[in-house]
Amino acid sequence: NAGVTQTPKFQVLKTGQSMTLQCAQDMNHNSMYWYRQDPGMGLRLIYYSASEGTTDKGEVPNGYNVSRLNKREFSLRLESAAPSQTSVYFCASSEVRGFNTEAFFGQGTRLTVV
Amino acid sequence: DAKTTQPPSMDCAEGRAANLPCNHSTISGNEYVYWYRQIHSQGPQYIIHGLKNNETNEMASLIITEDRKSSTLILPHATLRDTAVYYCIVSLGSKGNAGNMLTFGGGTRLMVKP
Repeated sequence: NAGVTQTPKFQVLKTGQSMTLQCAQDMNHNSMYWYRQDPGMGLRLIYYSASEGTTDKGEVPNGYNVSRLNKREFSLRLESAAPSQTSVYFCASSEVRGFNTEAFFGQGTRLTVV
Repeated sequence: DAKTTQPPSMDCAEGRAANLPCNHSTISGNEYVYWYRQIHSQGPQYIIHGLKNNETNEMASLIITEDRKSSTLILPHATLRDTAVYYCIVSLGSKGNAGNMLTFGGGTRLMVKP
């Protein structure tokens, strides 16, 4: 029962490099999300996908792009990494079922940009 | 979504009840109160949610005031493993076909002590 799986778990990038963070869920959820968490702070929403084929900006979308590849997978791309993007990135998924949705989170990707 | 106010930190003795307060004075009639916790930088974990009535599950109880402007999460017999950051979130569970956008604040850092 994997739930939400993120890869990689750790990554170090040089400024200007690009990379894609992968997220997959096996719960057949419609909605998926990407958050970032800076040290000592709460989570901030980067992008979300309410359903397959749709994506929308969250609170802090600048410097990121996303792709909802299919219902299972939602990727986050950094085109030109900057030190300010050093953070822990969490992917989450949830089902849209009236008002009673519970989000499940992955274990995070710890990204350092030097 | 309505904002929430939580104390930044609390201590609790092991085996005693932990009562975590949350103020959400601008909550609207169709917004739910959700509680999540994050243990040592892992992905957040859902605990409980409610609309108007008090709720209880195997993890915790949620007490919502009659005017819905505040709530309290109760861990009845706190253990050392309950040491975590607890987030109170007010949100629409869904917005039609849109996903559940959870806005995390700073949370309350609960320290359970032997």
